[in-house]
Amino acid sequence: EDQVTQSPEALRLQEGESSSLNCSYTVSGLRGLFWYRQDPGKGPEFLFTLYSAGEEKEKERLKATLTKKESFLHITAPKPEDSATYLCAVQAPGTYKYIFGTGTRLKVLA
Amino acid sequence: NAGVTQTPKFQVLKTGQSMTLQCAQDMNHEYMSWYRQDPGMGLRLIHYSVGAGITDQGEVPNGYNVSRSTTEDFPLRLLSAAPSQTSVYFCASSYIPEVAGRSQYFGPGTRLLVL
Repeated sequence: EDQVTQSPEALRLQEGESSSLNCSYTVSGLRGLFWYRQDPGKGPEFLFTLYSAGEEKEKERLKATLTKKESFLHITAPKPEDSATYLCAVQAPGTYKYIFGTGTRLKVLA
Repeated sequence: NAGVTQTPKFQVLKTGQSMTLQCAQDMNHEYMSWYRQDPGMGLRLIHYSVGAGITDQGEVPNGYNVSRSTTEDFPLRLLSAAPSQTSVYFCASSYIPEVAGRSQYFGPGTRLLVL
């Protein structure tokens, strides 16, 4: 069964304390892995798409990487405004369906 | 561009009532979808459409109907609301995902409470 698992469920960091969020997936024939940011009371906002193992993408303090079984979202020197829920999703092979993980709630303390 | 818009923002229904959640996009996207988001469950796909007149079921379609008469609009209908349908509903759109990696744009959501 195609599945996406995110860990940890919640993470508290001090401002400037770097860390990583994990997204593991079990799909055959990955057609894209997506990272989204979701602020409370709002819809998810697209961050990155990764297509193949070894690929990396960066945006400000965020860097996403991909292996054959998992993706990491690295947060370098986070600021309080990085506090949000980060969602990971994959496109199910051969379909137009997307499978989302349950997200990681990140809180960055000043 | 307004992007993806959803109405209403919040709705309270009684069990058995019907209602339609509206979704519209002005980006000429072929692909539109509806998700529900529940605590601890993540986003789950309800229905999706790859163009006007074409719809298909997602992971949790029971109790919901959709239609797509235009490229811009993709309403979600609850025929007889149940407390289990209390959730936050998100509409999303993108260009057709034939090419891998078409990112989706999400609306602001509709919070539905069924009593």
